[in-house]
Amino acid sequence: GAVVSQHPSWVICKSGTSVKIECRSLDFQATTMFWYRQFPKQSLMLMATSNEGSKATYEQGVEKDKFLINHASLTLSTLTVTSAHPEDSSFYICSETGSSYNEQFFGPGTRLTVL
Amino acid sequence: KQEVTQIPAALSVPEGENLVLNCSFTDSAIYNLQWFRQDPGKGLTSLLLIQSSQREQTSGRLNASLDKSSGRSTLYIAASQPGDSATYLCAVLVAGSYQLTFGKGTKLSVIP
Repeated sequence: GAVVSQHPSWVICKSGTSVKIECRSLDFQATTMFWYRQFPKQSLMLMATSNEGSKATYEQGVEKDKFLINHASLTLSTLTVTSAHPEDSSFYICSETGSSYNEQFFGPGTRLTVL
Repeated sequence: KQEVTQIPAALSVPEGENLVLNCSFTDSAIYNLQWFRQDPGKGLTSLLLIQSSQREQTSGRLNASLDKSSGRSTLYIAASQPGDSATYLCAVLVAGSYQLTFGKGTKLSVIP
């Protein structure tokens, strides 16, 4: 399967600041990557689909101006949480499909805590 | 809209027992179903993937079955070990899309 890394693994920030999370595909040129959010004891919820060289596709209810996604290369997608607030504290996980397109491989996740 | 339900939400068993985790989904138009393992504060590890045309998949002590018409899947773990303690997530891939829909998971504790 594909290997996906995320950086940082955890981050603590003050309310009102912006935080950037990186998702890297280490062994596959991923034209499509996915960003999920997981609140405690909840399901993973798809936030957006990141497309290399074009705009991301956001799920209903996800603010595109708050969660900025950039997929400038085939191996890197970034998620920037702008003007973060305590309610944005969550576990953010990215994934990519690898060569099979019908199986997703997940990164280790980033724990965001907004004070 | 696809919904995935996992029962039970939590399960505690003594070491060595065989156990079954359940997953149900509302829309049978799926491409495949995956079972994942998630350790606390960690990402997801894929355990088994069953294509919609398949009935079951096996990997070591794990066996997953799929009954697409009834919208159900089970994950069978044989001879459970303390190292199996984790949250197990079920997810279905909606046919014709990349979208994975997840259940809330079953938190398994295997007591030594």
